Amino acid sequence: AQSVTQLDSHVSVSEGTPVLLRCNYSSSYSPSLFWYVQHPNKGLQLLLKYTSAATLVKGINGFEAEFKKSETSFHLTKPSAHMSDAAEYFCVVSPNFGNEKLTFGTGTRLTIIP
Amino acid sequence: EAEVAQSPRYKITEKSQAVAFWCDPISGHATLYWYRQILGQGPELLVQFQDESVVDDSQLPKDRFSAERLKGVDSTLKIQPAELGDSAMYLCASSRTSGSYNEQFFGPGTRLTVL
Repeated sequence: AQSVTQLDSHVSVSEGTPVLLRCNYSSSYSPSLFWYVQHPNKGLQLLLKYTSAATLVKGINGFEAEFKKSETSFHLTKPSAHMSDAAEYFCVVSPNFGNEKLTFGTGTRLTIIP
Repeated sequence: EAEVAQSPRYKITEKSQAVAFWCDPISGHATLYWYRQILGQGPELLVQFQDESVVDDSQLPKDRFSAERLKGVDSTLKIQPAELGDSAMYLCASSRTSGSYNEQFFGPGTRLTVL
């Protein structure tokens, strides 16, 4: 069984300040982990993915995430928020074998304060 | 840039009516997925196709939902009859093939409202 918990349903930061979106996962096996972003009226877009290679993963638009097995966490960060970062963010887990079905978290809505 | 197309973008229907959603994946993508996203929740997989074959429909309410991908290209998801609890965003995604190493590309979705 696998699951993800996004610890914050809403996060607000000022433009130019750091972003931290928290995600904890549960998986019976070594997982693949992803972050997706969903802008209003747009499809989900992959930000980055971890698939058992380097634990620090860099993605698009300046985002990165670190896989910490001991903490079962995969938090998403960005050094400096931009207005265009305002969106819904989903942490996603998938096993590395079998049907490799994606399991989504409930999402974190990121608001950027001008 | 190739995208996953979905139509309609919005659908309002009354309960007990039939509705259908269409998805055209990125050309050459063998795997197609239908997800349902209830407001305030993450997407949940309804059905996964590999070419024209269903490989996972364990979460599809088969008494009222059906999905097909007859020629292994575009796909249709149908609900008959629609119920109030079916109000949600229905997302289609495609990937080159199955497996978590293959990025899933999502369409913009169809927002269904059942009255």
